[in-house]
Amino acid sequence: GAGVSQTPSNKVTEKGKYVELRCDPISGHTALYWYRQSLGQGPEFLIYFQGTGAADDSGLPNDRFFAVRPEGSVSTLKIQRTERGDSAVYLCASSRTNQETQYFGPGTRLLVL
Amino acid sequence: DQQVKQNSPSLSVQEGRISILNCDYTNSMFDYFLWYKKYPAEGPTFLISISSIKDKNEDGRFTVFLNKSAKHLSLHIVPSQPGDSAVYFCAASANTDKLIFGTGTRLQVFP
Repeated sequence: GAGVSQTPSNKVTEKGKYVELRCDPISGHTALYWYRQSLGQGPEFLIYFQGTGAADDSGLPNDRFFAVRPEGSVSTLKIQRTERGDSAVYLCASSRTNQETQYFGPGTRLLVL
Repeated sequence: DQQVKQNSPSLSVQEGRISILNCDYTNSMFDYFLWYKKYPAEGPTFLISISSIKDKNEDGRFTVFLNKSAKHLSLHIVPSQPGDSAVYFCAASANTDKLIFGTGTRLQVFP
């Protein structure tokens, strides 16, 4: 079966612009997670969805970051007024339930110029 | 404050030998630990996990050891193969869902 997919694979934008990053989880997985990985670091948690609702958004760095999962499947991470410091790889993961192994997508590489 | 630490940024091992990757943690509430492998331009791939009720879990060439009193876990790969060359991340969770990752160890297996 298909794994977690993320689009776009790469995104270059200018400072101050708005971007949307999409994640398609593994079919049937109810839990979905967003992480961010900066150069030389491990992935850092951003937000977790159980179904349609955000169960834990404690990792979102500020109110410029927002994520939705309106139908409990695809999720979109939205970043407003992008800053150069937002440049990173944004990873999405899903798991069958919130107590099971998380499987990661290939990531979206965001570069803010 | 780094709750999960991988103090060796890199490791080089000869093919056929054992690779040992180490990870230390500070949060005594962590009860589930995982290792992920990451190739360039790909997402992390799940390798093996261990619950805090165990001290060892084995899957083929991969074995994870957990020492709760020392707050230390290790991943053993034996025998090491060139295809094992990648960055290895240790991760932990505390009865919740989010994973806390270490900074990774780059393993290079040479012929």
